[in-house]
Amino acid sequence: RKEVEQDPGPFNVPEGATVAFNCTYSNSASQSFFWYRQDCRKEPKLLMSVYSSGNEDGRFTAQLNRASQYISLLIRDSKLSDSATYLCVVKVGGGSQGNLIFGKGTKLSVKP
Amino acid sequence: SQTIHQWPATLVQPVGSPLSLECTVEGTSNPNLYWYRQAAGRGLQLLFYSVGIGQISSEVPQNLSASRPQDRQFILSSKKLLLSDSGFYLCAWSWENNEQFFGPGTRLTVL
Repeated sequence: RKEVEQDPGPFNVPEGATVAFNCTYSNSASQSFFWYRQDCRKEPKLLMSVYSSGNEDGRFTAQLNRASQYISLLIRDSKLSDSATYLCVVKVGGGSQGNLIFGKGTKLSVKP
Repeated sequence: SQTIHQWPATLVQPVGSPLSLECTVEGTSNPNLYWYRQAAGRGLQLLFYSVGIGQISSEVPQNLSASRPQDRQFILSSKKLLLSDSGFYLCAWSWENNEQFFGPGTRLTVL
């Protein structure tokens, strides 16, 4: 089983749509969770951290289910500029020895 | 604010040639530093990380090496490049190994 698994997509949605991405992780000792966004041929950029209680940042909502080892990202009222690949990231281990494990990403294409 | 620089931005090298990629961070001290490679159609693969000057941990055995001669400088090297070394090389920094922030990357093509 892959450590961090995501549906590769692509998700093709019209502007204004709501889209949800899912991610599962295999290591129950995972401690921190993040969503990154990567534009074509660019570096990944932190979109948001994912907290146990769930968190929201504008149109973006992240949820964590530790029991199911599942993370989600919801984008409401999608914009053309949301088109990118969204990477699910899990930190396994603590302190300086813990490393981030990246999923391969889910590609989103928002159409006019 | 913190910024991270990488150079060169793109590089085309013949098989068997040496490699040196540089990464520097500004606006912070004693960061954790990382080298990743992203091959076409694949996820990010952690190559090396460093928690301090001269301290390098290797995640994947290969013909690459890393060095940290200064607190905010991280270098990725190879003595002889292979075709399979082609990819997008990303340097990142973090505090206490939480969120990582990436540099703009170096796109390496080995011919």
